[in-house]
Amino acid sequence: GAGVSQTPSNKVTEKGKYVELRCDPISGHTALYWYRQSLGQGPEFLIYFQGTGAADDSGLPNDRFFAVRPEGSVSTLKIQRTERGDSAVYLCASSLLAAGDTGELFFGEGSRLTVL
Amino acid sequence: AQSVTQPDIHITVSEGASLELRCNYSYGATPYLFWYVQSPGQGLQLLLKYFSGDTLVQGIKGFEAEFKRSQSSFNLRKPSVHWSDAAEYFCAVAVNTGNQFYFGTGTSLTVIP
Repeated sequence: GAGVSQTPSNKVTEKGKYVELRCDPISGHTALYWYRQSLGQGPEFLIYFQGTGAADDSGLPNDRFFAVRPEGSVSTLKIQRTERGDSAVYLCASSLLAAGDTGELFFGEGSRLTVL
Repeated sequence: AQSVTQPDIHITVSEGASLELRCNYSYGATPYLFWYVQSPGQGLQLLLKYFSGDTLVQGIKGFEAEFKRSQSSFNLRKPSVHWSDAAEYFCAVAVNTGNQFYFGTGTSLTVIP
């Protein structure tokens, strides 16, 4: 596709359930980032992939959060035992190179997660 | 710890007026600096960036920003605001070779006729 695609655009779930959020980056982009944006806040870094490997996962808040990118393209953010505090917009971004090389992250429109 | 501060949560300007959005950062060395814009229903879009060199950088949509090392600031400016500029603006800092971006909390811009 022309841009970064994220699905679902909206997800409502109940506390304790498991959730998967998908990101389809721009074709050919090797770097992929996940961010979380809570209401009234700026995006908060979660994890960065370079190819298939997680180059930096220091932003994941706890072990309920996990992300994969098995073929170096599509990525899935997985949240186990969701809590109400997980409610936020989850943003995915991709880049041809590491962000420090180009500064240009291309963002998707985000997946809004609501945990009831 | 690295931080990005945008002191203005919300700004209202008249169409055609000039605009300045403030951004201050806290980091030991000169980081990479960026401004992104987020319009309703759209993803974040890069307006401009500063890596090194000329401290006044030009971006898209008529925006510019000036890096001032002595003030640890990277303020965004536009001489004449258009109604379509109404959006949320985020200042960001990239550290650790750019693998991590730290975003400010954003400034919401309202443009009145």
